[in-house]
Amino acid sequence: GQQLNQSPQSMFIQEGEDVSMNCTSSSIFNTWLWYKQEPGEGPVLLIALYKAGELTSNGRLTAQFGITRKDSFLNISASIPSDVGIYFCAGLRNDYKLSFGAGTTVTVRA
Amino acid sequence: KAGVTQTPRYLIKTRGQQVTLSCSPISGHRSVSWYQQTPGQGLQFLFEYFSETQRNKGNFPGRFSGRQFSNSRSEMNVSTLELGDSALYLCASSLSGTVNEQFFGPGTRLTVL
Repeated sequence: GQQLNQSPQSMFIQEGEDVSMNCTSSSIFNTWLWYKQEPGEGPVLLIALYKAGELTSNGRLTAQFGITRKDSFLNISASIPSDVGIYFCAGLRNDYKLSFGAGTTVTVRA
Repeated sequence: KAGVTQTPRYLIKTRGQQVTLSCSPISGHRSVSWYQQTPGQGLQFLFEYFSETQRNKGNFPGRFSGRQFSNSRSEMNVSTLELGDSALYLCASSLSGTVNEQFFGPGTRLTVL
């Protein structure tokens, strides 16, 4: 079953705004991954994090691996219409099992 | 280079039937993983195949099974379908199974009536 709590579940944002979402868990993870899924497509990897405290950027996206190794967040700066989609976090444990959050649905108002 | 392809894209079945879904990985990729995606549960790992062997398995009942062929193409089978099996089934391929190197296919949308 699901082990990651991802929030918020959905958000409506104004174009140009910054967006934040996060994932928390009671389990410790060795790797955090953030994906984006658009309608009719499979998830696409956005950012991968491998060390506690790591902060990584990919264009307007920034993600951090929490110091406790039990959480991660994703920030999208200056949102644009093509940021619409569902964003998923995923955590990889010691036993190589990958768990996913339920997703955050982002809708951008032009 | 072609991406991961899944067939069929859409499928409607009735309870009790069985279904087979197919996944063709990116050329050269030897690992194929399967996931079930539902609105309430998100993505859940079903199993992973590497070089025709099941290497990892998630917590799904035995009605869910899979196999991989020598050309790395994979199939998953669900027998005795239940309403709760309605979901998007995604497969992902990678060279060696490293999760951050996975590429997902577009999925097969299964509806069980």
